[in-house]
Amino acid sequence: QQPVQSPQAVILREGEDAVINCSSSKALYSVHWYRQKHGEAPVFLMILLKGGEQKGHEKISASFNEKKQQSSLYLTASQLSYSGTYFCGTEEGSGNTGKLIFGQGTTLQVKP
Amino acid sequence: DAGVIQSPRHEVTEMGQEVTLRCKPISGHNSLFWYRQTMMRGLELLIYFNNNVPIDDSGMPEDRFSAKMPNASFSTLKIQPSEPRDSAVYFCASSLSTSPLHFGNGTRLTVT
Repeated sequence: QQPVQSPQAVILREGEDAVINCSSSKALYSVHWYRQKHGEAPVFLMILLKGGEQKGHEKISASFNEKKQQSSLYLTASQLSYSGTYFCGTEEGSGNTGKLIFGQGTTLQVKP
Repeated sequence: DAGVIQSPRHEVTEMGQEVTLRCKPISGHNSLFWYRQTMMRGLELLIYFNNNVPIDDSGMPEDRFSAKMPNASFSTLKIQPSEPRDSAVYFCASSLSTSPLHFGNGTRLTVT
């Protein structure tokens, strides 16, 4: 079951913040976040395992609410380099498969 | 580390022809995934292997698609016969157990 991402697209000015949401109808073992720039391969950002943990990577962080099967990606003080399409990938059930189902993606454009 | 290597980078073929896409995973990785990316359907998982064994091929669209992994360092995705609706970017990704996916640069397939 493909997770649902929202919003579909975001336009920001440098320095502004954004939140991207990912929601699944299935029980999740983990949520992965990737960023893809135009014409390139998706690049890994972070993994969140069930347990409601929150992770951060510089000014990009994420949370995972396993009870609601939802994850959110937080981008603070956005930079031009943050532009791209963000995908959440969900691993269902008991995990240990590495099999990820990706959402449709959220396109983020950061303008000067 | 050379990363995941895919070939060719671009493939243009005529409807009805056989197409073979190739992938060399990262050395030591034991899971390999084939994804297809289109604007309409996003990133779709076609098939994945664990220790060279196909685990889940439920995403393979039709019998025209087949995938093999004869050894730990090589996999192929074959489409025979190809159709215009197969046009997409095909990504191969590898991982070690449930670690992050490492994507190759993809093969852009155009079927005319």
